[in-house]
Amino acid sequence: GIQVEQSPPDLILQEGANSTLRCNFSDSVNNLQWFHQNPWGQLINLFYIPSGTKQNGRLSATTVATERYSLLYISSSQTTDSGVYFCAVHGSGNTGKLIFGQGTTLQVKP
Amino acid sequence: NAGVTQTPKFQVLKTGQSMTLQCAQDMNHEYMSWYRQDPGMGLRLIHYSVGAGITDQGEVPNGYNVSRSTTEDFPLRLLSAAPSQTSVYFCASRLRQGRKAYNSPLHFGNGTRLTVT
Repeated sequence: GIQVEQSPPDLILQEGANSTLRCNFSDSVNNLQWFHQNPWGQLINLFYIPSGTKQNGRLSATTVATERYSLLYISSSQTTDSGVYFCAVHGSGNTGKLIFGQGTTLQVKP
Repeated sequence: NAGVTQTPKFQVLKTGQSMTLQCAQDMNHEYMSWYRQDPGMGLRLIHYSVGAGITDQGEVPNGYNVSRSTTEDFPLRLLSAAPSQTSVYFCASRLRQGRKAYNSPLHFGNGTRLTVT
């Protein structure tokens, strides 16, 4: 099946710093999402981005499907950005199952 | 538009008890699913449904039942709770666009934290 790898596993930033999170996947996909799991456990949908670039405020994402990777950019980080960031892709078959990476745990210090 | 609503937020059960986790969505999504999230195991698909009256098993279905009598609701039933079912449960839904069934984002509820003692 498809493998999803995220890097780095952990990241500590000072408030105001920028960061780039990476997601590599082992096969072609037609569905890629980025999620933020906040400290309260909620899974927030950040981007649905099977290809191309999207921006939403301080966050942006780029997926290069032909090279099998996606990047999530966080600019001017805030303490509320802390949590775990997951990349997820749709697996093969018809279950609709998303295959999640192991996540990047981000801590933003004031 | 409330999105995906899960109740309860927290629940403690004793081994052998039964309960139902509720999930409702108001986005007219055909596809609904249940995941469980465990440390070191990530999110795993329990059951899913592609429309009212249709359900199917995911990768970890044992010990759980589901039904889909309406488009809006997709309850998850634990018939006889076991400590191994202690987990955080997420319901999720997406628009299913005909044959391109999964070319749309999956929306998650806020989760139910279940402890079985």
